[in-house]
Amino acid sequence: ETGVTQSPTHLIKTRGQQVTLRCSSQSGHNTVSWYQQALGQGPQFIFQYYREEENGRGNFPPRFSGLQFPNYSSELNVNALELDDSALYLCASSPADRAYEQYFGPGTRLTVT
Amino acid sequence: QKEVEQDPGPLSVPEGAIVSLNCTYSNSAFQYFMWYRQYSRKGPELLMYTYSSGNKEDGRFTAQVDKSSKYISLFIRDSQPSDSATYLCAMRGSNSGYALNFGKGTSLLVTP
Repeated sequence: ETGVTQSPTHLIKTRGQQVTLRCSSQSGHNTVSWYQQALGQGPQFIFQYYREEENGRGNFPPRFSGLQFPNYSSELNVNALELDDSALYLCASSPADRAYEQYFGPGTRLTVT
Repeated sequence: QKEVEQDPGPLSVPEGAIVSLNCTYSNSAFQYFMWYRQYSRKGPELLMYTYSSGNKEDGRFTAQVDKSSKYISLFIRDSQPSDSATYLCAMRGSNSGYALNFGKGTSLLVTP
């Protein structure tokens, strides 16, 4: 059974640029959630996707957007990058009948300079 | 006041010790309680989850939830150097969507 995978592992962007992060959910999981983890902090919920629809959103501005595809993989897009967007971005997938069980990928470390 | 409070540590114990990790929370609507382990530069790994109050045991790990005190604990018996990691508590309500509310994490070091 393949776990949650994310790409890229690391990337460096300049303030004002746009970035797309990708996530493949664990086999059999149809719900994907995205979190931002700043250094020394716990993950903060960005949003969740279920059946290709946004199913909940945390306290993040609209420049954070996402997509879920028919194969349940997902993308996180961030526009107009700010220095404070530097963080570890985590994707988590859940099985349909146990959405509270969230299994995380290794994350993408984004640095904004 | 944050909804979930967790002492960041660091907590250093000798190998073989019993470790107690704790979180407090303020939202009485929380019903699901999880513990994650996160190694440096890795994603969090789900260790255990508990619904409502009570205890749950899995090998060397025991999770306890006291909803009356809004207090949860994770105990690690016979701690090993490989247990050295950051431990994150997380929780969510039944009707608040599926967002997990995390603590800051407690850094644990088990020394040989």
